[in-house]
Amino acid sequence: KNEVEQSPQNLTAQEEEFITINCSYSVGISALHWLQQHPGGGIVSLFMLSSGKKKHGRLIATINIQEKHSSLHITASHPRDSAVYICAVSGNQFYFGTGTSLTVIP
Amino acid sequence: GAVVSQHPSRVICKSGTSVKIECRSLDFQATTMFWYRQFPKQSLMLMATSNEGSKATYEQGVEKDKFLINHASLTLSTLTVTSAHPEDSSFYICSASPIQRMNTEAFFGQGTRLTVV
Repeated sequence: KNEVEQSPQNLTAQEEEFITINCSYSVGISALHWLQQHPGGGIVSLFMLSSGKKKHGRLIATINIQEKHSSLHITASHPRDSAVYICAVSGNQFYFGTGTSLTVIP
Repeated sequence: GAVVSQHPSRVICKSGTSVKIECRSLDFQATTMFWYRQFPKQSLMLMATSNEGSKATYEQGVEKDKFLINHASLTLSTLTVTSAHPEDSSFYICSASPIQRMNTEAFFGQGTRLTVV
């Protein structure tokens, strides 16, 4: 069993749709990270959360420590949001989810 | 925000040669840097943790004689893939943490795609 589970694994959405990607984890953590990986591999750190909610532009990340669950929301999705979104948690070490491949269709 | 620069972004090398990948923290001192490897369609896998001025700690199954890590300064860590073989072709990513713990904010490099021919 993976320490970090993401769902869905693949997601196709129409432009402007509201998107949610979920992440559940089973280990004790100090922080949860949402990462974005574009085709070609470059990784961008979107959020680091230890509680509550953070918003950056059209992206919103929430975390529920008691339930060991986090969600990444994208409002008014756009084709340039197409990427792989990776959830990672850090505690005694880093654990990574396998990623959610998002395709936004115009 | 903090920036981690990784170089090169892509490299192609011949089998049997060595390749060095650099990871620099541009605006903070990184006492700890991490090296990851990612196979196609798989999640990132932690290879090793390096602390400035001391030997790297390798994860189980990672050959330390093949993947040489040097963290000689607070802003630079290098990963050298020695005697590279086609099976070493992969995406290598570094991250850096400003304090000597893993449970904190980490900043990622853009990654290096290594192709061994």
